[in-house]
Amino acid sequence: DTAVSQTPKYLVTQMGNDKSIKCEQNLGHDTMYWYKQDSKKFLKIMFSYNNKELIINETVPNRFSPKSPDKAHLNLHINSLELGDSAVYFCASSQTGGGRGAGELFFGEGSRLTVL
Amino acid sequence: AQSVTQLGSHVSVSEGALVLLRCNYSSSVPPYLFWYVQYPNQGLQLLLKYTSAATLVKGINGFEAEFKKSETSFHLTKPSAHMSDAAEYFCAVTVGNQFYFGTGTSLTVIP
Repeated sequence: DTAVSQTPKYLVTQMGNDKSIKCEQNLGHDTMYWYKQDSKKFLKIMFSYNNKELIINETVPNRFSPKSPDKAHLNLHINSLELGDSAVYFCASSQTGGGRGAGELFFGEGSRLTVL
Repeated sequence: AQSVTQLGSHVSVSEGALVLLRCNYSSSVPPYLFWYVQYPNQGLQLLLKYTSAATLVKGINGFEAEFKKSETSFHLTKPSAHMSDAAEYFCAVTVGNQFYFGTGTSLTVIP
C-alpha cells in the first residue's frame, strides 16, 4: 500500500499546454510538499501545505498553482507550460510536532514532466 | 539561516571499500539531520536521521552517520560498499516545517 502516491508518473506535453499532477498520502500526515528536481538532481522546494493551509511558497512562477482539497491531497496545476518546466516533480509529506523540527519526509516516486 | 553543504558531487569507490560521503550543516538552532538515498527513477527514501539522541546514528543497509557539533558535520559512512549502493545521496537539515537539502552526491561503485 503506497504511502505517498502521485499521478501521472510520466507526462509529455507541448509548450503552452496546461497540466496537473495529483498527490495523495495515506499516512495521516498534516503537512505536504511539492519539490522540483532538475536534471542536475538539485531539489528545490516549491510549496508546502499544513492542514490545507499554504505555509511555504517559494519563488515560483505564478503559472504554478497548488491546491489542497484536504490534508491528504495536494495537487499541482501548471499553466502555459514552458521548456524550462521539464523536470521531475516530487510530492512529499511529513508530520509536524513539538520540538525543533518536522518529522521525516516521505516522498512519492515522482512525476517526470517533459515539455516539447 | 539553515543550509547544508555536500562536498563532492561525485564519489567513486571500489566494491568492498569504505564509503564516505561528506555533509556539513549550518543552523541557528540545534538541528535535525537526515540522509536520504535516491535510486534511479525512484523517489527519495530515508537512510537515517539524527534527532539529538545518540550522536552515532545507524541506518538501513549498513550505513551510519556521526553528528559532530564541533565540526558542524554529519558524514555518512559504510564500511564496505556494495554494487547496490550506487545511487544519489542527499543530506538534509530541518527546522520547523522547512527541509533544506544539499546538492546531492552521486555514488558510483566499481566492481
